[in-house]
Amino acid sequence: ETGVTQTPRHLVMGMTNKKSLKCEQHLGHNAMYWYKQSAKKPLELMFVYSLEERVENNSVPSRFSPECPNSSHLFLHLHTLQPEDSALYLCASSQGQGETQYFGPGTRLLVL
Amino acid sequence: QKEVEQNSGPLSVPEGAIASLNCTYSDRGSQSFFWYRQYSGKSPELIMFIYSNGDKEDGRFTAQLNKASQYVSLLIRDSQPSDSATYLCVARDSSYKLIFGSGTRLLVRP
Repeated sequence: ETGVTQTPRHLVMGMTNKKSLKCEQHLGHNAMYWYKQSAKKPLELMFVYSLEERVENNSVPSRFSPECPNSSHLFLHLHTLQPEDSALYLCASSQGQGETQYFGPGTRLLVL
Repeated sequence: QKEVEQNSGPLSVPEGAIASLNCTYSDRGSQSFFWYRQYSGKSPELIMFIYSNGDKEDGRFTAQLNKASQYVSLLIRDSQPSDSATYLCVARDSSYKLIFGSGTRLLVRP
């Protein structure tokens, strides 16, 4: 595997479900990010991890819970989501905060 | 609120023409700028970055930066239908956060 990978690529869940999104980077980077991309809106930064510590949480609802067990892996745990949470969720990594970010393919989430 | 503004488009150009994509940014402390290309349903991929005033060329792509005017542009020469995508302008602000524009959709007509 190369670059940044994400699983699953597509996810449909009900509002009472619990699911997790997984991101893995194979670039040796030390910063990882979760973004939300809704139709016709700019990318919204959700969380930033640098050296496995969360350094930013942009007022994201508590139904989204990130986890970064090591510098190569990032998870986004989802529970009791709302239909408006349906979007493309993108993971990215970089060597240092503010440096060029490389994106994974994304998980397209649909909440019913 | 720090912002990066882009015209949403679509910008339509004929094949072989020069496509000119523009953006402005609000944080005068921003020093670095990136252009990403995003095909429909795919994730953004980096095309170029620019730090210094002036032009930076890479193949068919030229990025231009004017810090006094807070203006960044991307020129695509000899546009191809495969260049049809959404182009995201990104500024790195003074606190090293990346601020994304909402993107300009480019359509290259065969």
